[in-house]
Amino acid sequence: GQSLEQPSEVTAVEGAIVQINCTYQTSGFYGLSWYQQHDGGAPTFLSYNGLDGLEETGRFSSFLSRSDSYGYLLLQELQMKDSASYFCASMDSSYKLIFGSGTRLLVRP
Amino acid sequence: KAGVTQTPRYLIKTRGQQVTLSCSPISGHRSVSWYQQTPGQGLQFLFEYFSETQRNKGNFPGRFSGRQFSNSRSEMNVSTLELGDSALYLCASSLGGVANTEAFFGQGTRLTVV
Repeated sequence: GQSLEQPSEVTAVEGAIVQINCTYQTSGFYGLSWYQQHDGGAPTFLSYNGLDGLEETGRFSSFLSRSDSYGYLLLQELQMKDSASYFCASMDSSYKLIFGSGTRLLVRP
Repeated sequence: KAGVTQTPRYLIKTRGQQVTLSCSPISGHRSVSWYQQTPGQGLQFLFEYFSETQRNKGNFPGRFSGRQFSNSRSEMNVSTLELGDSALYLCASSLGGVANTEAFFGQGTRLTVV
């Protein structure tokens, strides 16, 4: 089986830093991806970690530790437009891309 | 290049009816996956097609089916609709390779069953 666990909701202040964690259990593992979805919108790809370590893309960074079956998405200099749902996802050995239940981020002024 | 196109965007159906949703992937993408999303829920995996073959199937009843055509366009069908089938149905296209897990989503079809 395959499952990804992440917190249901996180609140942070504009300009702050927030970390969204994801732990996973998969049969076969081909890296961890992160997607953002605004209300009423489609999920959009943010980042992918195929190997252990940190990947940085502008204000967003993503980290993976295969030994701990754990990853996180780090959002810096939060902006109001970052209020959205964030999903971690992983692909198993049968090419099935599975998503976590999502973390709703609320950025307050 | 054009993105993933899903039609229709909105649909209202009556219990017991059937419905067909369509998804046109990005040109060159051979993999199309379908997901069901309900309020407060994540994306529940329905099935994945690659080169006209169903490669994966999620834990949904047999009322949910799909297919993929030679041009990679995909359709999903839900028969004998139930109230609980009301949801946003998303399709995602990708190249289909293991190392590339970037999926591109369509805007979805919002299905309401009354």
